Amino acid sequence: GQSLEQPSEVTAVEGAIVQINCTYQTSGFYGLSWYQQHDGGAPTFLSYNALDGLEETGRFSSFLSRSDSYGYLLLQELQMKDSASYFCAQQGDKIIFGKGTRLHILP
Amino acid sequence: DAGVIQSPRHEVTEMGQEVTLRCKPISGHDYLFWYRQTMMRGLELLIYFNNNVPIDDSGMPEDRFSAKMPNASFSTLKIQPSEPRDSAVYFCASSFSGGSQPQHFGDGTRLSIL
Repeated sequence: GQSLEQPSEVTAVEGAIVQINCTYQTSGFYGLSWYQQHDGGAPTFLSYNALDGLEETGRFSSFLSRSDSYGYLLLQELQMKDSASYFCAQQGDKIIFGKGTRLHILP
Repeated sequence: DAGVIQSPRHEVTEMGQEVTLRCKPISGHDYLFWYRQTMMRGLELLIYFNNNVPIDDSGMPEDRFSAKMPNASFSTLKIQPSEPRDSAVYFCASSFSGGSQPQHFGDGTRLSIL
C-alpha cells in the first residue's frame, strides 16, 4: 500500500543535532518534501528532494535515497523554537503526508 | 504578498447543517489543495485542482463532501449534511506546479460539528 512511516515522537537537547527518518512504499514517486507545523499553526515548507543526496538549507538538511525508499530531515544546533511537528510528504501520482514526528526539545 | 486566505477561521455548527469553507490561493499559483487534519488520521489530502480543474478527488471521504473552483482565485469545500466526525482542521494550500514547488498553506478552518 501507499504509506509513509516516520517516528511519532523524538526528544533532543537544545544545541544538539536530531535526525527524523521517513520511509515510503509507493510507485510513481517523484520526490519527498518536509514540512514543519507548530501547535495551532499551518504546515510550512522546509525542503524538497527529488534526487539522491543531501539538500542543505541553513540549520536544516534533507536527504533522500531512492534505492532505499528512505529519507531524513536533519536539524542542527537545535533551538527551543524548533519544537514542532515535522511531516514528510511524498510527491508523485499521489500526494501523501506522513503522520508527523513531534519533536520535543529539552533545555 | 498575501498568503493563502481561508475563511472562516473557526466554525461551530450543529450536525445536519451545511458547511462551506472558502479559500483564496496565492495569485499566480495554478494548483490548489484541500486537506483535513485530525489527531487520529493526520493530514489527509481531500482533493486538488490544477488550473481550476479537479485532478484527484479520491481523498474526498463521501458524497457529503464537494469542492469547486469556479475561477483561479477562489475555491470552496462544502459539507452537506455535516456530521460530528467531520470535526477537524481543514487546510487549503496552493503552489506553482504540483511537484517540486512548495505548497503554501492557509491558516486553516477549525470546524466543530456538535
